[in-house]
Amino acid sequence: GNSVTQMEGPVTLSEEAFLTINCTYTATGYPSLFWYVQYPGEGLQLLLKATKADDKGSNKGFEATYRKETTSFHLEKGSVQVSDSAVYFCASGGQAGTALIFGKGTTLSVSS
Amino acid sequence: DAGVIQSPRHEVTEMGQEVTLRCKPISGHDYLFWYRQTMMRGLELLIYFNNNVPIDDSGMPEDRFSAKMPNASFSTLKIQPSEPRDSAVYFCASSFAALNEKLFFGSGTQLSVL
Repeated sequence: GNSVTQMEGPVTLSEEAFLTINCTYTATGYPSLFWYVQYPGEGLQLLLKATKADDKGSNKGFEATYRKETTSFHLEKGSVQVSDSAVYFCASGGQAGTALIFGKGTTLSVSS
Repeated sequence: DAGVIQSPRHEVTEMGQEVTLRCKPISGHDYLFWYRQTMMRGLELLIYFNNNVPIDDSGMPEDRFSAKMPNASFSTLKIQPSEPRDSAVYFCASSFAALNEKLFFGSGTQLSVL
């Protein structure tokens, strides 16, 4: 079945540093790919998505590109802020008739 | 819209007690999901419903767990009897029209079983 692997955290950065959180997937076919973010004490919310190969999802300065050849969907941001501190989840559409599959989450901590 | 509403926000109970978690999805959404989040296992799908019908419950850990959706605006997740290893954050989420569409999550229920 489909699966998602993302880098383990925590990731600790200083404000304005460059962020990369790696995510790779295994799937039959070409599933939609997502990044969700969870702020402290809240539920997950969609950050960005890409539905086909070479698509780039972007939102709030974050970007991720759907790479079919490397089965990856790495999350990047050029300059992080303290307010970006959260847990980030990569997710893949499941096989036909199945729900989204989430990675285990990566905790990001940004200090000023 | 108020979003997905879960209750209670926190639940502390003793081992062996029955626990009922509640969820009100966003009006008009066709899918409802129950997830469990722990440090060790991350976010696990327990069960999901489509138009109030349970579709996939393969993630439900054991017979102590049950979920119902009596109508389009309400779902429950019940644990009976509860055990300390059930301690986790339980999330309800809903989506419109398709499995791989954007999920809207509730704020979760933090369950502690002593």
